Amino acid sequence: DTEVTQTPKHLVMGMTNKKSLKCEQHMGHRAMYWYKQKAKKPPELMFVYSYEKLSINESVPSRFSPECPNSSLLNLHLHALQPEDSALYLCASSQDPGTTEAFFGQGTRLTVV
Amino acid sequence: QKEVEQNSGPLSVPEGAIASLNCTYSDRGSQSFFWYRQYSGKSPELIMFIYSNGDKEDGRFTAQLNKASQYVSLLIRDSQPSDSATYLCAVRGSQGNLIFGKGTKLSVKP
Repeated sequence: DTEVTQTPKHLVMGMTNKKSLKCEQHMGHRAMYWYKQKAKKPPELMFVYSYEKLSINESVPSRFSPECPNSSLLNLHLHALQPEDSALYLCASSQDPGTTEAFFGQGTRLTVV
Repeated sequence: QKEVEQNSGPLSVPEGAIASLNCTYSDRGSQSFFWYRQYSGKSPELIMFIYSNGDKEDGRFTAQLNKASQYVSLLIRDSQPSDSATYLCAVRGSQGNLIFGKGTKLSVKP
């Protein structure tokens, strides 16, 4: 089983809204990642959690706030987003940060209006 | 900063042919290499990974790694229209993250 589950699949939010994206895996993976993908571009790394601790923040604006409540869950809290933040947000996990392959969830298609 | 280069294509091959996708990387110390397939509007799907020099085969897919030339390739034999997608080459970064190339769009014509 290599399943990473993301909810919701689609999200439309206004610029003053607060929303959260959720990601869950039950593979015992200890590294989890958030990527952002714009149309016709490759995924770009936003955050890395390693053993439930934030290890990389790729200079992401503070309107994006990650949270890792436990080893199976990863959240991305959104607040005061801009229309240019509209993208596909991808969660991924791997068994550990330094080795092994990463598996992606199906993504959340976010539209900011 | 590690970089990964891919020809963006599109690469068009007839059904049943071999599709050859290529990737180069900048960091000679890179150890882990991945190929993901991404259909339009979907998330990336891992199809191959390779860590050692040489060839690795899985069904119709063969990954080839040449660390001396800093070159990774993916061969798809007996290409099918269902193989039409964007193929992303990725290298592992220092924190386990993936550094992607821009992707090659493959079109397999019936």
